[in-house]
Amino acid sequence: EAGVTQFPSHSVIEKGQTVTLRCDPISGHDNLYWYRRVMGKEIKFLLHFVKESKQDESGMPNNRFLAERTGGTYSTLKVQPAELEDSGVYFCASSQDRNRAFFGQGTRLTVV
Amino acid sequence: GENVEQHPSTLSVQEGDSAVIKCTYSDSASNYFPWYKQELGKRPQLIIDIRSNVGEKKDQRIAVTLNKTAKHFSLHITETQPEDSAVYFCAACDGSSNTGKLIFGQGTTLQVKP
Repeated sequence: EAGVTQFPSHSVIEKGQTVTLRCDPISGHDNLYWYRRVMGKEIKFLLHFVKESKQDESGMPNNRFLAERTGGTYSTLKVQPAELEDSGVYFCASSQDRNRAFFGQGTRLTVV
Repeated sequence: GENVEQHPSTLSVQEGDSAVIKCTYSDSASNYFPWYKQELGKRPQLIIDIRSNVGEKKDQRIAVTLNKTAKHFSLHITETQPEDSAVYFCAACDGSSNTGKLIFGQGTTLQVKP
């Protein structure tokens, strides 16, 4: 069974540019989550999709972040315009039953 | 909202010794507690989990205990091996929202010395 896949694995962009991260969940998992780990701190929740619907986006930092999951399959997280404090590792996770979540390998975003 | 505290932040043990990592949570509605292991450059991997209706769960060399009254849970690794070296995260599932949202502890870097 294929796991959660994220693209790209690394991204270095300049402040003010736009970056789009992609997540392909495990097939059949309706629940998709985005998390972020900044500067070695704890992993923090960003938002939760059930199929194509946003269930909880309480963790999104501000309106520079936009997540979509058109068709209820893969999801994208766009940061526009990127700021220095957006640097970190962005994780995607998916689950079938809202408990056991399986994580992707993460996208390391560096804003310079 | 839920808050999870994890200790210690770093832990160094000799191969063969036991390692214990402790977490506390604040929301009594939390009902699911997973543990993740993240090796350098790899994805966080679910290694064991426990639900609030169970006090202890064991899987080979790893075990998790849960004390609902005190709102704390612990990861126990026995007979540690060098490949156990990694960052370990505890988490609590937000029980009030029923979305599967995980609140993580700050992580523990475990080093097992050969």
